[in-house]
Amino acid sequence: GESVGLHLPTLSVQEGDNSIINCAYSNSASDYFIWYKQESGKGPQFIIDIRSNMDKRQGQRVTVLLNKTVKHLSLQIAATQPGDSAVYFCAERKSGTYKYIFGTGTRLKVLA
Amino acid sequence: DTAVSQTPKYLVTQMGNDKSIKCEQNLGHDTMYWYKQDSKKFLKIMFSYNNKELIINETVPNRFSPKSPDKAHLNLHINSLELGDSAVYFCASSQDPAGGGETQYFGPGTRLLVL
Repeated sequence: GESVGLHLPTLSVQEGDNSIINCAYSNSASDYFIWYKQESGKGPQFIIDIRSNMDKRQGQRVTVLLNKTVKHLSLQIAATQPGDSAVYFCAERKSGTYKYIFGTGTRLKVLA
Repeated sequence: DTAVSQTPKYLVTQMGNDKSIKCEQNLGHDTMYWYKQDSKKFLKIMFSYNNKELIINETVPNRFSPKSPDKAHLNLHINSLELGDSAVYFCASSQDPAGGGETQYFGPGTRLLVL
C-alpha cells in the first residue's frame, strides 16, 4: 500500500462506459477490504466493502471483486457518470486490529 | 447534521509554532482516527483511539499529541511545526472494529500549510 511515483495513476473513461479500478493489497492476512471515493476538497467517502470469505459483492452501479490468490481487488463502476470523477482508494484491514492500510489512489476522469 | 466535523478547515502558520486541530463526531462511535494525506494523496493512519484509549500510534514524531477528552472528540496538537508537516489531516470515526463496525466516516479535512 505504499505510494509510488510522482503522479497519481489516472484512468480516463467516456461517460456511459464501465470503469475498472484496480488495487493490489499488501497483507495476505487482511480479511476486510473497502473502497473509498474522494472528491476534490473532501474527505474519503465509503463506497462498498467486502470480506475475505467472498469473491464478489455488488452495490448500486458498483461491484467489488476480490482475488485473494494474487492479493488483488478491483472496483467496477457501471455506466460511469461525470459525478463519478474522483480519486478512488482501496483499504485493507486485518480482523482484530484497528489499522486500516490505504492503497495508492487512482484518479478517475470521466470524459463527456 | 455533519457526522464528523473538523476545525479549522485551513491552517496557515509559521515553522516552529504550536497548533491544534479539533475533531468531533455525532455518530455515537467508539473509535476515532487521525490520518495524514500528503501531496501525492497517500493516506496514512497516525493515531486511533477506542473509548478514549490510544490503541494505534504509528511512527509519528512525538511533536504530535492526540487527546480524546470523550468518545465524541479527538483533537490533535502539533508542537514545533516543521515544513514537512504541511498536509491535509483527516479525522475519521467508526464503531469498534473489533465488534464488527468497520465502516469509517471521514471528516472534511484540515489543510495545514507550514511556511
